[in-house]
Amino acid sequence: GAGVSQSPSNKVTEKGKDVELRCDPISGHTALYWYRQSLGQGLEFLIYFQGNSAPDKSGLPSDRFSAERTGGSVSTLTIQRTQQEDSAVYLCASSLEGSNEQFFGPGTRLTVL
Amino acid sequence: DQQVKQNSPSLSVQEGRISILNCDYTNSMFDYFLWYKKYPAEGPTFLISISSIKDKNEDGRFTVFLNKSAKHLSLHIVPSQPGDSAVYFCAADLTGNQFYFGTGTSLTVIP
Repeated sequence: GAGVSQSPSNKVTEKGKDVELRCDPISGHTALYWYRQSLGQGLEFLIYFQGNSAPDKSGLPSDRFSAERTGGSVSTLTIQRTQQEDSAVYLCASSLEGSNEQFFGPGTRLTVL
Repeated sequence: DQQVKQNSPSLSVQEGRISILNCDYTNSMFDYFLWYKKYPAEGPTFLISISSIKDKNEDGRFTVFLNKSAKHLSLHIVPSQPGDSAVYFCAADLTGNQFYFGTGTSLTVIP
């Protein structure tokens, strides 16, 4: 079956612009996570959605970052007024409720010039 | 602060020998640990996990060992194969919804 997909695969933007990154989780997976991996760093947790519960936004680094999940499926991560330090690979993962095993998408490589 | 640490950024092993990848953590409340494998330009894929109530979990060529008193876990791959060459991430789960990842160890298995 289809895995987690993310779009775009690459995004180059200018400092100060807004960007939207999209994640399509595996059908039936109620949990969805966003992470980012900056150069030389580990995966940094950003936000977690579980079903209809309020999302866990504790990992978002600033109020320029926001995410939503419509209809319990597709999720969009929005970064407003991008900064150069936002350059990273943004990874989305989904899992079944109650499972620790996350399935990752291929990531979106964001470059802010 | 990095709650999960992988202090070796890279490791080279001869094909057929054992690969040992190490991971240290600081939070004694972590109750589940996972290893992920990542190939270039792909997302990480789940490899093996262990609950904090166990000290060993084995799956084929892969074994994870957990030493809670030392806050240390390791992944053993034996025998190592060239296809095992990838970046390996250690991860720890705190509440069931917040995972902390290490910085990864790049394993190269030399044919």
